[in-house]
Amino acid sequence: KQEVTQIPAALSVPEGENLVLNCSFTDSAIYNLQWFRQDPGKGLTSLLLIQSSQREQTSGRLNASLDKSSGRSTLYIAASQPGDSATYLCAVRPETDSWGKFQFGAGTQVVVTP
Amino acid sequence: SAVISQKPSRDICQRGTSLTIQCQVDSQVTMMFWYRQQPGQSLTLIATANQGSEATYESGFVIDKFPISRPNLTFSTLTVSNMSPEDSSIYLCSGSPGPGEKLFFGSGTQLSVL
Repeated sequence: KQEVTQIPAALSVPEGENLVLNCSFTDSAIYNLQWFRQDPGKGLTSLLLIQSSQREQTSGRLNASLDKSSGRSTLYIAASQPGDSATYLCAVRPETDSWGKFQFGAGTQVVVTP
Repeated sequence: SAVISQKPSRDICQRGTSLTIQCQVDSQVTMMFWYRQQPGQSLTLIATANQGSEATYESGFVIDKFPISRPNLTFSTLTVSNMSPEDSSIYLCSGSPGPGEKLFFGSGTQLSVL
């Protein structure tokens, strides 16, 4: 059974520092991996989707890398801002089910202090 | 990218009553997914809803407690029946336009049962 782990569970950084968020998964047979942001009491906002054949995806200050063979993905947020404060979740979709049934990590709660 | 409108955004309900949550998508999505997120925890999949067929429930979730309708490719509802305080959670609907594509979420329904 796929297990998705996100370490650390919480992170606090001063504004301007780069953020590094980790996601690991036990079964490397994945179809793709998606990063989300969740604000308190709200739904999830999609950030980046990386297909299993890709090494990284970039969008603005966000960059996500994927090392499928070692079961790891990293989300980098450059020059953090207080508005980046949120919980960040990663989710993997199994290779055998391209339609869904993502397995989610528990998330990393990020606080960016002014 | 798809936009999913979910309502209500929050509700406070009495024990023993039922609540129906609605999700409207601005484009056609083949698969929709309903998740539950209990306080401080990650997402747990309740069921997968395909248009024109009965929803497929995950282990621990049953149709009598969480009936789902999916009358067309842009709409779905989840009912939480005979509620108890243990049902207090955030309920989230999501959809994916196609296999291997991004998963999009509604804004969530924060449910409190007294």
